[in-house]
Amino acid sequence: RKEVEQDPGPFNVPEGATVAFNCTYSNSASQSFFWYRQDCRKEPKLLMSVYSSGNEDGRFTAQLNRASQYISLLIRDSKLSDSATYLCVVRREYGNKLVFGAGTILRVKS
Amino acid sequence: ETGVTQTPRHLVMGMTNKKSLKCEQHLGHNAMYWYKQSAKKPLELMFVYNFKEQTENNSVPSRFSPECPNSSHLFLHLHTLQPEDSALYLCASSQRGPNTGELFFGEGSRLTVL
Repeated sequence: RKEVEQDPGPFNVPEGATVAFNCTYSNSASQSFFWYRQDCRKEPKLLMSVYSSGNEDGRFTAQLNRASQYISLLIRDSKLSDSATYLCVVRREYGNKLVFGAGTILRVKS
Repeated sequence: ETGVTQTPRHLVMGMTNKKSLKCEQHLGHNAMYWYKQSAKKPLELMFVYNFKEQTENNSVPSRFSPECPNSSHLFLHLHTLQPEDSALYLCASSQRGPNTGELFFGEGSRLTVL
């Protein structure tokens, strides 16, 4: 079983739609959780951290369920510019080793 | 100037060649990383350096040899590679600490092994 699993998609949605991505992780000792975004032929960049209480950044909402070892990302009012691959990332225990999921592809169409 | 720069951006090499990838960070970070990204696979952590000391070697074959002369520079020396080593090699940096979460990536070096 992969340590971080994501639905690869692609998710094809119209502009203005709400879309949700899920991610599960297998290591219960994981300490921190993140969503990164990677545009086509570009490097990954941090989109947002995921906190236990859930957090929101504009149109983006991240949720964490430690009991189910599950992370989600909700994007409201999708824009064409949201088209990218979204990477679920987990940090193991303490330190600086981050484990990446394979990513979920989002395509927003007009 | 971008925070993390990698050279070359593209590299084609034969299986008997020796080449090196270079990474430089201008962010004042104290940890640097090499990741491998193959098509439809997750990023694979290869090496981690903290304060110039290697702290992680993720079972990487010896044909990949990292070098970290100082906190700002990281190299990946390549020799006798295989075609399956063709991939995007990403360098990243961060601040070392218990809450490390944000990695700053370079644009990557796309390697093709013939």
